[in-house]
Amino acid sequence: NAGVTQTPKFQVLKTGQSMTLQCAQDMNHNSMYWYRQDPGMGLRLIYYSASEGTTDKGEVPNGYNVSRLNKREFSLRLESAAPSQTSVYFCASSEGDRWKLFFGSGTQLSVL
Amino acid sequence: AQTVTQSQPEMSVQEAETVTLSCTYDTSESDYYLFWYKQPPSRQMILVIRQEAYKQQNATENRFSVNFQKAAKSFSLKISDSQLGDAAMYFCAYRTRNTGGFKTIFGAGTRLFVKA
Repeated sequence: NAGVTQTPKFQVLKTGQSMTLQCAQDMNHNSMYWYRQDPGMGLRLIYYSASEGTTDKGEVPNGYNVSRLNKREFSLRLESAAPSQTSVYFCASSEGDRWKLFFGSGTQLSVL
Repeated sequence: AQTVTQSQPEMSVQEAETVTLSCTYDTSESDYYLFWYKQPPSRQMILVIRQEAYKQQNATENRFSVNFQKAAKSFSLKISDSQLGDAAMYFCAYRTRNTGGFKTIFGAGTRLFVKA
């Protein structure tokens, strides 16, 4: 069982470069999320998608865009990367309001 | 907006002893879920325990239990008979039951060290 798959696992960018983080889940979940994890700040919600065709801003959306391509896939795009976006990024999915989050293995992103 | 606060950046416990990790939250909602997640060095996020706000009984999962004080908006995690494998970051999390994606908000985390 794959669960939530994120690619890539590691990425180094130069300031101003763009890239897209990919996320796919095979559990037929309606809701998907993107978080970033920084030391001392826990996980902060960037964007989420309650269902296919909808996306909403989370706590820290500036500098990011998302696309819910279909029910399985939810991508996160950095249009012009900045050093402040150096972080570990997690994609997650869930079904319904009472169930836990299923997390991907994370992407370590460094912006130089 | 909801917030989750973990006031202990680090905690330490002797193997086989008991430790309690603190968490407080702020919300105007009456119905929600609370979680504790564990993140070992592998970076994997593992659900430890879940509490539904409408339930008065505290949740337990083997050596893990919570002390849920709804009026005080407090949700602490007790780990009994601590084991070396319990060493990890622990995150307290709040999940709204309102429509709109059922967002989950996390605290800053507590790093737990277990001494042999």
